[in-house]
Formats: sequence, C-alpha cells, structure tokens
Amino acid sequence: QSVLTQPPSASGTPGQRVTISCSGSSSNIGSNTVNWYQQLPGTAPKLLIYSNNQRPSGVPDRFSGSKSGTSASLAISGLQSKDEADYYCAAWDDSLNAWVFGRGTKLTVL
Amino acid sequence: QVQLVQSGAEVKKPGASVKVSCMASGYTFTSYYMHWVRQAPGQGLEWMGIINPSTGTTSYAQKFQGRVSMTGDTSTTTVYMELSSLRSEDTAVYYCARHIPAGGGGSWFDPWGQGTLVTVSS
Repeated sequence: QSVLTQPPSASGTPGQRVTISCSGSSSNIGSNTVNWYQQLPGTAPKLLIYSNNQRPSGVPDRFSGSKSGTSASLAISGLQSKDEADYYCAAWDDSLNAWVFGRGTKLTVL
Repeated sequence: QVQLVQSGAEVKKPGASVKVSCMASGYTFTSYYMHWVRQAPGQGLEWMGIINPSTGTTSYAQKFQGRVSMTGDTSTTTVYMELSSLRSEDTAVYYCARHIPAGGGGSWFDPWGQGTLVTVSS
C-alpha cells in the first residue's frame, strides 16, 4: 500500500486536458515539495515536474503541476498519443525518513 | 551529457546475493548523491536508499535495512547496490538515479539509469 494515493488510471482523447491527482499527508506532501515522473512503456522513469510546478528543460509546457495542502496534481493539456505512459508522484516523508511514491497512474489516450 | 549506465540482467537463486552497478559520466561524480529505486513487475516505484559517493555515507529504507549495501568507487565513478538473502519478491527492475538538491529546499531524481532486471527463481 503506497503512502501517496493516485488513481490507477486516467484517459482522454487527443487535444483534451487531463489531470492526475496525488494525495498524501502532513508528513510528506504537506511539508515537502512534490515531483512527477513519466515512465513510457519499457523505459526508465524520467523527471517531468520538480518542486511542485517546475518543468525541466525540454518538457513541453503542456505539462503543469500544482500543490495545495496535502494534495498535488499533474495536468496535461493538448493530449497527444505519445503522452501514453505511467505517471508517478513522489515526495520525501519526514516521518518515514524515506522517499515515497504513488502507485502510478496509467494514462490512456483514446 | 549526464549518463547513468547500469550492469546487465541477473538471474539468482533464493538465498543468494546480487550486486548491481551504475556507472556515472558527464558530471562530477562526488558532487551528487545517488539513489536506488526498484520496480517489481507491473508494480510501482519503491525507494531503497541513497549513497553519498564522496564519503560513502548511506541511508537505507527501513524495509531493506540489514539486507542492502550501497557502495561507491570514485576511481571508476561507479556506485553499487548489493542485496542479499534474495527471495522471489525481490524480482524487479533496479534503477539508480542521481539526487538533485535545490538551493531553496526540495530535491528530485534526475536522470535515471536504464534499469537492471534481477530475477530470483529456483
């Protein structure tokens, strides 16, 4: 059972906007920043969003992140077929003294 | 460019140990900590621990305490993760990932190695 809660799946049609939620607690999201990773099929995870809402160089501005209280969200606008992947949220947990991840959300582009 | 290249797939019997390597290039090896994260088949990501390659200081997730050992070799810019007393549940892809600290707080993992599949089977 993961410390961070994500929906197992999400879907949308090309061009649509989808959001993926990540719910935690005061010891992780509530007191630390959130990062998001994209894992394309058969590949290693890749940094997508860091420090709640920052995009690394090369990540399109279609991807955005936000955080409020003990929850965070990843939004993807202008959905494309190449966005089909698993998305993971992650944060440091002060109580566990460990990095914690969500179980991942599988995004399907219909 | 920054690259993390891991060793190849391994097949081990229950009770054995496995040692996975992660060779870093494209940056100053001793300036960044390194994480190890694993992913069981069809499952999510699980953090195992972190090593400071400069000092050898480590911090392990409680779940792996006593069974995992992370080391580094500055001469070859390589970090290693050794997991002992393997059981079938340890079958997973193991990743190394560089730790990036932010000046104003916060940190993240970037980049990740390509992953090493470890299969534990009798």
